[in-house]
Amino acid sequence: GQSLEQPSEVTAVEGAIVQINCTYQTSGFYGLSWYQQHDGGAPTFLSYNALDGLEETGRFSSFLSRSDSYGYLLLQELQMKDSASYFCAVRDRVRSNSGYALNFGKGTSLLVTP
Amino acid sequence: DSGVTQTPKHLITATGQRVTLRCSPRSGDLSVYWYQQSLDQGLQFLIQYYNGEERAKGNILERFSAQQFPDLHSELNLSSLELGDSALYFCASSVGVEETQYFGPGTRLLVL
Repeated sequence: GQSLEQPSEVTAVEGAIVQINCTYQTSGFYGLSWYQQHDGGAPTFLSYNALDGLEETGRFSSFLSRSDSYGYLLLQELQMKDSASYFCAVRDRVRSNSGYALNFGKGTSLLVTP
Repeated sequence: DSGVTQTPKHLITATGQRVTLRCSPRSGDLSVYWYQQSLDQGLQFLIQYYNGEERAKGNILERFSAQQFPDLHSELNLSSLELGDSALYFCASSVGVEETQYFGPGTRLLVL
């Protein structure tokens, strides 16, 4: 089976940097995705890492270490609008017919304070 | 706006009833995914369709079924509803079988 672990809550100050970690266990790994979800809203794709290293997209960066089964999402220059839930996700090929399921972690609720 | 539409936005029904949730993917997207999100279970994958064919199945209950039509819109049917089925149901789409999925606004289902 699969499991993903991420902290349930993180609080940070506006303008600061925050790192949200994700560790995973999976039988067949393709890559690690990150999604953002504001309260009551739809999840929005942020990034995807298939290879080790850091991917940067504006204020957001995502890192992957396949050997450690670990990744993180780094948010810089935090803004109040970054308060949201952040989910890591991995592909699951169990019970698939050349399709795939995305298995999501339980999410990290980020609160940005003034 | 992701380009994925879902109807209805809200649905209130009683236990034992049957409901149908509808999803229209982004223009050009062939894959449709359904997810259930509840407070205690997080975002759970239900099922994926690609160009009309079922491609992947998650922990979808036997009371739930889905299909994707020739025009690529999809419907999720939930029957014999129970209180525990109350949740947000999201549809997502992607061009093919890809990591980047675009989510619709969701249907909030309340079973009383």
